[in-house]
Amino acid sequence: ETGVTQTPRHLVMGMTNKKSLKCEQHLGHNAMYWYKQSAKKPLELMFVYSLEERVENNSVPSRFSPECPNSSHLFLHLHTLQPEDSALYLCASSPTQGAEEKLFFGSGTQLSVL
Amino acid sequence: AQRVTQPEKLLSVFKGAPVELKCNYSYSGSPELFWYVQYSRQRLQLLLRHISRESIKGFTADLNKGETSFHLKKPFAQEEDSAMYYCALSGAAGSTLGRLYFGRGTQLTVWP
Repeated sequence: ETGVTQTPRHLVMGMTNKKSLKCEQHLGHNAMYWYKQSAKKPLELMFVYSLEERVENNSVPSRFSPECPNSSHLFLHLHTLQPEDSALYLCASSPTQGAEEKLFFGSGTQLSVL
Repeated sequence: AQRVTQPEKLLSVFKGAPVELKCNYSYSGSPELFWYVQYSRQRLQLLLRHISRESIKGFTADLNKGETSFHLKKPFAQEEDSAMYYCALSGAAGSTLGRLYFGRGTQLTVWP
């Protein structure tokens, strides 16, 4: 499959659970991103990875832990989340960091924290 | 501070009518502006960017630095234009590369 693929599409978890979101891109891109899209706020950048190194952490709480084992995969590990963390989490990639005009988004994971 | 404002959360027009989705921004430097679109059950995708000065699917957007606006326009709306539209800003010098500041989005509905 080409493009940016996110799994799972939907996730419901309790506040004490540990879960992970997965993102995979088959575009040969070198930069990957996590965005958060909540109902009451604009789309927010959470993390940026370039060549598997984290280049930005946008003041995200430590209960969100990203991992980029290689340039094709990006994970977001979730632990002890709060109900206000319920949102759509979008993964994106671009050929290089900063190539915003070439951002490809995944379909997102809709997360509900109970 | 960077900010993108889309004053209309919802916008409805009839097919064939002109449509304008408003976007205003706040940025101290020279920004790059984008419009992204998300059709129902599809992923967020780039519609157009101001640097390209192109028309995509009949939409155009002109950067007005005096009014700090980047409104999206189409002279004759079609039903298939119904979607969520996001205005986004990318900073240049001094900003973090790869950072896009998004507006809250405008849901456009085109009635038949």
